[in-house]
Amino acid sequence: DAMVIQNPRYQVTQFGKPVTLSCSQTLNHNVMYWYQQKSSQAPKLLFHYYDKDFNNEADTPDNFQSRRPNTSFCFLDIRSPGLGDAAMYLCATSRGRALGPYEQYFGPGTRLTVT
Amino acid sequence: AQTVTQSQPEMSVQEAETVTLSCTYDTSENNYYLFWYKQPPSRQMILVIRQEAYKQQNATENRFSVNFQKAAKSFSLKISDSQLGDTAMYFCAFMNPTGAQGAQKLVFGQGTRLTINP
Repeated sequence: DAMVIQNPRYQVTQFGKPVTLSCSQTLNHNVMYWYQQKSSQAPKLLFHYYDKDFNNEADTPDNFQSRRPNTSFCFLDIRSPGLGDAAMYLCATSRGRALGPYEQYFGPGTRLTVT
Repeated sequence: AQTVTQSQPEMSVQEAETVTLSCTYDTSENNYYLFWYKQPPSRQMILVIRQEAYKQQNATENRFSVNFQKAAKSFSLKISDSQLGDTAMYFCAFMNPTGAQGAQKLVFGQGTRLTINP
């Protein structure tokens, strides 16, 4: 089945130690999104890629970066994790404008713990 | 900017009952999409149902249906014959398909935690 895969499912890192989360998709979608979700809250969009074009949300901290080396893969880099960055990180994909039907497909998430 | 409001932080019903989750939104757009997503405990978020604003007919997917009131900007989700597996956080979301940079960003409500009791 076509899907969105996130690795690892659980990640523990130390305060200030860089960490990378990965996402891959077999849906061949143009758009890939990264969300941060804290407990019992709605997901918060950090940034997205439309093909190779990177689009940052205005309030995403500089500590968060992303890479998309090809259509299938997208990475979230947290350069210096703080305790406030502990959260679930969700990757999602969509087909892109004009292609419809527009819904986003989510991966299972990576739960990041910062010690 | 669009906003989405879910006024029920938590709900609880007995198995087999019908439950309705509320959602209101604010937009000046005429063409948009509305979604209900389900996020079970420790499991991934999945799409429950989708409604195109230009369609007057309410969307239905098996036990799930919506009551879309465009003029009132209301989009409620009805779950009939509720099952234990329906226990989850439910998010209402708005999307403008003409968003910039080719992406269709979702604007989420705060979520409603639904518990189905045996």
